[in-house]
Amino acid sequence: EVQLVQSGAEVKKPGESLKISCKASGYMFINYWIGWVRQMPGRGLEWMGIIYPDDSDITYSPSFQGQVTVSVDRSIATAYLQWSSLKASDTAIYYCARRGDSFLNFDYWGQGTVVTVSS
Amino acid sequence: QSVLTQPPSVSGAPGQTVTISCTGSSSDIGAGYDVHWYQQLAGTAPKLLIFRDNKRPSGVPDRFSGSKSGATASLAITGLQAEDEAEYYCQSFDSSLNDFYVFGTGTKVTVL
Repeated sequence: EVQLVQSGAEVKKPGESLKISCKASGYMFINYWIGWVRQMPGRGLEWMGIIYPDDSDITYSPSFQGQVTVSVDRSIATAYLQWSSLKASDTAIYYCARRGDSFLNFDYWGQGTVVTVSS
Repeated sequence: QSVLTQPPSVSGAPGQTVTISCTGSSSDIGAGYDVHWYQQLAGTAPKLLIFRDNKRPSGVPDRFSGSKSGATASLAITGLQAEDEAEYYCQSFDSSLNDFYVFGTGTKVTVL
């Protein structure tokens, strides 16, 4: 069974750094792209970036380029999303999602990580 | 960020049919890219509902169907049930400006 299990909720202050994780199981991790999607409070879904674990090929949405960093650790089948300096506007739920094998969609999703940034 | 346009809300009584539109442009849906649909129940992660315009993943009831014409796609829910009350998002691919994966604005379906 394919599963993406994300790390727990975080409460941070503006300016702090953060790295959240997404652990994959039930499939060959390196062979499927993993994307990250933001959902701000009461808002829709926004694609942030995507990484191919086999070679760490990464594409960022222009809206998020330079704002976040996506990475993987192949040895533990885990993808990461990190910030070096959080802002209040980063408060949101962040989902990781596996891109489908043949189609440009997201077929499995993590449960989401709630990130709250407040002074 | 490029987005696909959906109506904010639709509603229907149990047993009725509701349809959600998803309007894109010549660089995404109109360019021939597939449209996918997700269902997001309150407080949960999105779930793939329809892929490649009109295909259902295993386990998705056939009450859900998708279609596409030109730069507009549609999701129909026939025989509406109380458990269908959720937010629905379309998604496609945009080959311009490196904004590859684009989502719709979302539609809240309310079962009256």
